[in-house]
This record gives sequence, C-alpha cells and structure tokens, in this order.
Amino acid sequence: KAGVTQTPRYLIKTRGQQVTLSCSPISGHRSVSWYQQTPGQGLQFLFEYFSETQRNKGNFPGRFSGRQFSNSRSEMNVSTLELGDSALYLCASSLRGWQETQYFGPGTRLLVL
Amino acid sequence: TQLLEQSPQFLSIQEGENLTVYCNSSSVFSSLQWYRQEPGEGPVLLVTVVTGGEVKKLKRLTFQFGDARKDSSLHITAAQPGDTGLYLCAGEPNFGNEKLTFGTGTRLTIIP
Repeated sequence: KAGVTQTPRYLIKTRGQQVTLSCSPISGHRSVSWYQQTPGQGLQFLFEYFSETQRNKGNFPGRFSGRQFSNSRSEMNVSTLELGDSALYLCASSLRGWQETQYFGPGTRLLVL
Repeated sequence: TQLLEQSPQFLSIQEGENLTVYCNSSSVFSSLQWYRQEPGEGPVLLVTVVTGGEVKKLKRLTFQFGDARKDSSLHITAAQPGDTGLYLCAGEPNFGNEKLTFGTGTRLTIIP
C-alpha cells in the first residue's frame, strides 16, 4: 500500500506571498492532519480534516487554512507569508482521526525569505 | 493539556554503545507510540505499546510502557550510525476528543 505523499518537497517564497501544499493520504484513510515542525517549537498540530470537514484545529492564525476533497486528498494554504512560517510542514493520515497513530508523509520544506 | 517530556533532549554517543531515551508524563495514555525521523523526512512509526508494563523488541531496540501507562522508555543496544535521528514518543489519549500528544523529541547522533 502506498504511503502518504506530499508535494512539493521544497518551496522558497518571499514575505507576503501565499502558498498551497498538497497531501495524498494512504488509501482508505479518511483523516488527514497537518503539522508544522520547527527546531524551536517541535511538532505543532495545525488542523485535522475528516470526510471533507475540518474537525479539529490547533492554535494557529487564520492565515493557515486547509481543505479536503472527496477522495481524501488535502491541501493546506498559508496566506501573507511571514519569515516565521519557515518550517517543515507534515501531513499525516489515519483511519479514524487525530487521536490515533499518525502515518506521516515526507513533508514540504518551506523557506520564506 | 497533556504533555510528554522526553530526555535527554540531545544525545551523542559512539557506535557500539548502549543508550536509553525516556518519555514521561503526568497523564495516562491508552497507548504510546515511538517514531524515528531522519533529516528532511517525516516521522516513521517504530512501535506501539498498549498494555501497562508491556515490553516490545525490534531487533536492537527495546520499548517499554510504564505500569501506570504514563511513561515509556526506548533502549538501544550496540548503537549503529543508522540509528541516528530524532526520536519522538506520542501518546494516544485515554478518553474524549483529544489529539495524539507528541513528545519534545530526542535527537540522537551515533558517531562511527
């Protein structure tokens, strides 16, 4: 069974721009969660989608948004990028939701200049 | 809010040595998972422990879940350079609609 895939793997943007990241979960997994990972803050939960609905949300500003499609694929959008948004963005999928084992993709490394 | 503290935060040892990494909390978890993350990649699940006192072995890695299901340890025997990475523990909540709680991480470097 194919794992979680994320595109693009690397991205360089400038302040003020917006970015869209994509994630394809493991086949059959309906829950997709997004995490931000930085050296200083560790792994921070952004939000979880299940059956096209945002079910849980972390403590991030409204510039961070997402959506999930009927095939469970998910996208994450960050608008008005700030230097502090530079991070590894990880997508994870699971069968039931954010409370259980997460299967991670390789991540998208975002650098904001 | 449930917290998982890992220690040590950083560990650098010679190839062939043994080491133990700890994951501690004041909260009870229904299960606990260990992940390893290599630079530039996502975390990969190593093991899940479910029962208090449970011990699981994965080749040279031994995982133990505390009797009270509040803590866990990872012991590596005869460490190899391929063991280098960030080790994360994660606790599945015991009740309610709570998210999987990730630990603070232990960055392990094995020196050849």
